[in-house]
Amino acid sequence: KQEVTQIPAALSVPEGENLVLNCSFTDSAIYNLQWFRQDPGKGLTSLLLIQSSQREQTSGRLNASLDKSSGRSTLYIAASQPGDSATYLCAVKTNAGKSTFGDGTTLTVKP
Amino acid sequence: DAMVIQNPRYQVTQFGKPVTLSCSQTLNHNVMYWYQQKSSQAPKLLFHYYDKDFNNEADTPDNFQSRRPNTSFCFLDIRSPGLGDAAMYLCATSVDGSLYNEQFFGPGTRLTVL
Repeated sequence: KQEVTQIPAALSVPEGENLVLNCSFTDSAIYNLQWFRQDPGKGLTSLLLIQSSQREQTSGRLNASLDKSSGRSTLYIAASQPGDSATYLCAVKTNAGKSTFGDGTTLTVKP
Repeated sequence: DAMVIQNPRYQVTQFGKPVTLSCSQTLNHNVMYWYQQKSSQAPKLLFHYYDKDFNNEADTPDNFQSRRPNTSFCFLDIRSPGLGDAAMYLCATSVDGSLYNEQFFGPGTRLTVL
């Protein structure tokens, strides 16, 4: 059974800092890994998706990496802004089509 | 814009009173998912439809049912809501078989059980 862990559960940084969020998974037989953002009381917004054959994806200030062999993914946020404050979730999809989510990391960027 | 729509955004029901949550999509995706998310927890998959084929998760309570009358719509029925069913319910879609296979989520329905 796939298990997904996100550490830390919460992170607070001053504006302008670069930061890394971590996601680890127990079964490396994955189809893809997707990073989402969730604002309080809202749905999930897709940020980046990495296919199992890829090593990283970039979108603006965001960069996601994937290391299947070690069961890890990171989401790098450059030059953080208060508007980046949200909960960030990673979801791992297996070849059977089911996604398993981590509990998320709640990020607070202080002005 | 193509999107996933959930109605209502907020639903209040009484203990034991049946409730139906609605999801519609304009993406023409063949896979639709229902997730339950409790406060500060990961979304938990309840079931999904692959076209018309219903796939229930083993640990989804019998109290939860779903219907998909056509490609665009999917409903979540909670037959006898308990206090423990209060949560955010998220609908998502994807195109199975595509290389990209990204999931797209709706805004969610917040269910309160009194």
